[in-house]
Amino acid sequence: DQQVKQNSPSLSVQEGRISILNCDYTNSMFDYFLWYKKYPAEGPTFLISISSIKDKNEDGRFTVFLNKSAKHLSLHIVPSQPGDSAVYFCAASARVSGNTPLVFGKGTRLSVIA
Amino acid sequence: SQTIHQWPATLVQPVGSPLSLECTVEGTSNPNLYWYRQAAGRGLQLLFYSVGIGQISSEVPQNLSASRPQDRQFILSSKKLLLSDSGFYLCAWSPANRAYEQYFGPGTRLTVT
Repeated sequence: DQQVKQNSPSLSVQEGRISILNCDYTNSMFDYFLWYKKYPAEGPTFLISISSIKDKNEDGRFTVFLNKSAKHLSLHIVPSQPGDSAVYFCAASARVSGNTPLVFGKGTRLSVIA
Repeated sequence: SQTIHQWPATLVQPVGSPLSLECTVEGTSNPNLYWYRQAAGRGLQLLFYSVGIGQISSEVPQNLSASRPQDRQFILSSKKLLLSDSGFYLCAWSPANRAYEQYFGPGTRLTVT
């Protein structure tokens, strides 16, 4: 039973355009969501997060939107750059559970074409 | 600041051979520690996690095992490797009781031949 789903395994976007990566979750206890970026042969690095008390969080070119009623979040990258080409993982947590590990989606491979 | 180390970076092992991957964390105490595997073209699969010395939780039954002999050391082992054990192995840590704040190591590429 996948609690965090990234239904698009891959996405291709032209340089300068907007990239939108989507993530759905099923567990209503999740109250904190993160996006990680992963290059080949490297460990994932934290990109941006959002708490369930917010519906938007912005950091430079990266914005995460959260729709709690739809149990859906999305990561927007504007403008997309070739260096953004990587696999992006969505992750979720129920922070009250303390030590329960993050739940990850299967990832979306973003290719930004110059 | 905290750093996480994994070694070796790459490893090629024959089927049936043993395995030992090591992960250490510096700059923090009593961290939660995690082992993940990313098989080719697939997502992150949580294998084991530990909230303290000698405390290991297994997420997926398999021929791998984990141990935590010291506070900041996490070891992934196997007595006999299978071809299906090939993949990219990642260690991660988080502060105690803050599992949502997770940091990954550089990973180990394991190829079983």
